[in-house]
Amino acid sequence: EPEVTQTPSHQVTQMGQEVILRCVPISNHLYFYWYRQILGQKVEFLVSFYNNEISEKSEIFDDQFSVERPDGSNFTLKIRSTKLEDSAMYFCASRLDRVTPGELFFGEGSRLTVL
Amino acid sequence: KNQVEQSPQSLIILEGKNCTLQCNYTVSPFSNLRWYKQDTGRGPVSLTIMTFSENTKSNGRYTATLDADTKQSSLHITASQLSDSASYICVVSGWQAGTALIFGKGTTLSVSS
Repeated sequence: EPEVTQTPSHQVTQMGQEVILRCVPISNHLYFYWYRQILGQKVEFLVSFYNNEISEKSEIFDDQFSVERPDGSNFTLKIRSTKLEDSAMYFCASRLDRVTPGELFFGEGSRLTVL
Repeated sequence: KNQVEQSPQSLIILEGKNCTLQCNYTVSPFSNLRWYKQDTGRGPVSLTIMTFSENTKSNGRYTATLDADTKQSSLHITASQLSDSASYICVVSGWQAGTALIFGKGTTLSVSS
């Protein structure tokens, strides 16, 4: 069964360092998303991406964050200068198309710990 | 403000028992409602998706109901198993920009033997 894969599963970094989280969406999917979940809190939307550009982003997704699809298979989330409050589980998700409601598939997540 | 509220926050039941989880939302205009199961430290896995025209949908031992008039949904789990222990998250989507998948905080279900 096709799945969304994410790497690394866990990353520990020092405050102020740059972090790149990688995702390989399901191969024929067209819409890609990043969500985050701070420990004990609800899942929060960060950004959606379609046709090589951001289609929607939340207030959380400030200038410290960026996304790109560098090679047609990977979908990356970059945090330029990490802060303690960036510590969270980051989930990548993808869907085939925008047809409502459309199944959204999540990866297993990347746990980011900022020290 | 678009919100999704779930109750109870946590629930403990004995294996084999049934339970019902509640979800109330204020997202408008409403597009669809999803229930996800999230095991600890794992990604959410979809259980059901319902549009406004659907009142009930089943997936094995999971049955979701939707009342779009009162903006309420429930997830009923029948004959619970130990593997049902997880967080169950209600997610609502609206038609307008900025309402892409609004997550509830989830109900943590613990099934004990």
